[in-house]
Amino acid sequence: DIVMTQSPLSLPVTPGEPASISCRSSQSLLHSNGNNYLDWYLQKPGQSPQVLINVSSTRASGVPDRISGSGSGTYFTLKISRVEPEDVGVYYCMQALETPLTFGQGTKLEIK
Amino acid sequence: QLQQSGPGLVKPSQTLSLTCAISGDSVSSNSAAWNWIRQSPSRGLEWLGRTYYRSKWYYDYAVSVKSRITINPDTSKNQFSLQLHSVTPEDTAVYYCARYLYGYRFWGQGTLVTVSS
Repeated sequence: DIVMTQSPLSLPVTPGEPASISCRSSQSLLHSNGNNYLDWYLQKPGQSPQVLINVSSTRASGVPDRISGSGSGTYFTLKISRVEPEDVGVYYCMQALETPLTFGQGTKLEIK
Repeated sequence: QLQQSGPGLVKPSQTLSLTCAISGDSVSSNSAAWNWIRQSPSRGLEWLGRTYYRSKWYYDYAVSVKSRITINPDTSKNQFSLQLHSVTPEDTAVYYCARYLYGYRFWGQGTLVTVSS
């Protein structure tokens, strides 16, 4: 199985400040079609997860452009340019290259 | 949209059964995949399996549950189901159904299933 490792696991951020979450995979997520099959999800308290980014950098509909994803191969990053109170929750990366699909441990973003 | 149904309490050694009703799409879609995922404090988010239709039905299961799991599409009701046999307290979790197409863009509301006598 592909192991996904996130850091940090806890991320206190002041509103208006930037935030960054890293995700490493134990194998390359680069497909022969050129896509990196890495998704990012946010789970807000009491809710189901919601997709933010798929194939490493494609923003899902309705996701603000202050949230961006980048990376290739085995190293990926989610960045929030200016954190807002609505960004609170647990962020997960997930590889979708092969089954079993696997998730990172989660990064809890909280407002200082 | 995905609407889950099923019991929240299952006895050890029995079968956990959940259903996910689909609206706004078809379980026979040639582009989407229909998944079951669970979440617990000890295991985090754990993918259990999926079914999808590409001229025929395909099924993929996590090795950890492969001997106990069945995911079935029901085209007449436009839904899909999860059966997990011989459950133990370790199967206690919130269970989600989810559609994968350019990411998991649609999730069910989640069902807390407790395995206890």
